[in-house]
Amino acid sequence: DIQMTQSPSSVSASVGDRVTITCRASQGISSWLAWYQQKPGKAPKLLIYAASSLQSGVPSRFSGSGSGTDFTLTISSLQPEDFATYYCQQANSFPQTFGGGTKVEIK
Amino acid sequence: QITLKESGPTLVKPTQTLTLTCTFSGFSLSTSGVGVGWIRQPPGKALEWLALIYWDDDKRYSPSLKSRLTITKDTSKNQVVLTMTNMDPVDTATYYCAHSPIAAHGVDYWGQGTLVTVSS
Repeated sequence: DIQMTQSPSSVSASVGDRVTITCRASQGISSWLAWYQQKPGKAPKLLIYAASSLQSGVPSRFSGSGSGTDFTLTISSLQPEDFATYYCQQANSFPQTFGGGTKVEIK
Repeated sequence: QITLKESGPTLVKPTQTLTLTCTFSGFSLSTSGVGVGWIRQPPGKALEWLALIYWDDDKRYSPSLKSRLTITKDTSKNQVVLTMTNMDPVDTATYYCAHSPIAAHGVDYWGQGTLVTVSS
């Protein structure tokens, strides 16, 4: 299995801050990486697919980058509705493993 | 509009077999490239990918759970069924059904999830 390691596991930030979350794969996955946002008690929501493609309807303050083993999710200006847990998932090979999550909390 | 909904027992006893049904609308599992999978999340923990079935009946499983999982589809009913044998308290989790077509390389639509508790 490909292991996905996210960092940090949690981050405290204020509204308007720029937030960056990283995800590292244990082996190369090309650009087959997705990012999800999950709020308490809700199903995850797709934000980014293929490492840098913005899912329809997702605000442009979210962006993704990277290829190979190292990937980044950036929120350019944190909004109140962005406080949530974020997960990466590799979709290069089965099983399509997830990272451990990054909780974005209010500072 | 794509929707998925999970159904099944909320409580199972240890050693029992869990059967979950995903009923979906807005797409057909007979269309080339379409896939439906299952993902679970223990309370307070991360997501775990379990299994996926494609339109052509290709099936993929998590290696760590493969011996316990079976995924099947009923195209006429727009349903996908996941069975998991020999349930244990560590299998307590919210189980999500997911639309996961080849083109998406991930999950683009999720069900609301169903919490399954394993306890005697």
